[in-house]
Amino acid sequence: DAGITQSPRHKVTETGTPVTLRCHQTENHRYMYWYRQDPGHGLRLIHYSYGVKDTDKGEVSDGYSVSRSKTEDFLLTLESATSSQTSVYFCAISESKIDGYTFGSGTRLTVV
Amino acid sequence: AQSVTQLGSHVSVSEGALVLLRCNYSSSVPPYLFWYVQYPNQGLQLLLKYTTGATLVKGINGFEAEFKKSETSFHLTKPSAHMSDAAEYFCAVIYGNTGFQKLVFGTGTRLLVSP
Repeated sequence: DAGITQSPRHKVTETGTPVTLRCHQTENHRYMYWYRQDPGHGLRLIHYSYGVKDTDKGEVSDGYSVSRSKTEDFLLTLESATSSQTSVYFCAISESKIDGYTFGSGTRLTVV
Repeated sequence: AQSVTQLGSHVSVSEGALVLLRCNYSSSVPPYLFWYVQYPNQGLQLLLKYTTGATLVKGINGFEAEFKKSETSFHLTKPSAHMSDAAEYFCAVIYGNTGFQKLVFGTGTRLLVSP
């Protein structure tokens, strides 16, 4: 979506390797989120950020870490990738809960 | 725990038929309610939302939804399905009026439209 980009769009990695996904926004929104999408589970929140260097865990945070050193960038790191982390990862941004979230196009990650 | 329930992981309709996708939420406080649509290999796009005011809300592509507090429901409808409506639809809720609240998603309903 305009104003939010995710990179890479696709990635294949080996079990045990670290992986970093990037979310970049040009909207200057305060809140940023990482979700993973899996069949039968919908979207589940991994981590979120409510400001620079302010982050917190979501419902499925084990094995993931995040960093936000600038308003526009929110990084998701898989410390040691496992096959259970094969998924589609979405970044989202928001400024107000009334407006809802704006989502990126997703990163399809395959761990082999 | 806060939750959103979407009845039916798959809904099949014929082109021109009524579309009804069901969503129920659990909450004792007024929620903000959203429907998102996801086309294949794309991100989620906001269809419509309810925050306050009129309980019948209209969205893009001819969809609408009605907030019914007594039934804790926010069902999505469209009078006449089109082939291009085939996608996955997610209901989502934000609870509470104060503080930081996160969006909680249902598990999604895939809409199949046949000619």
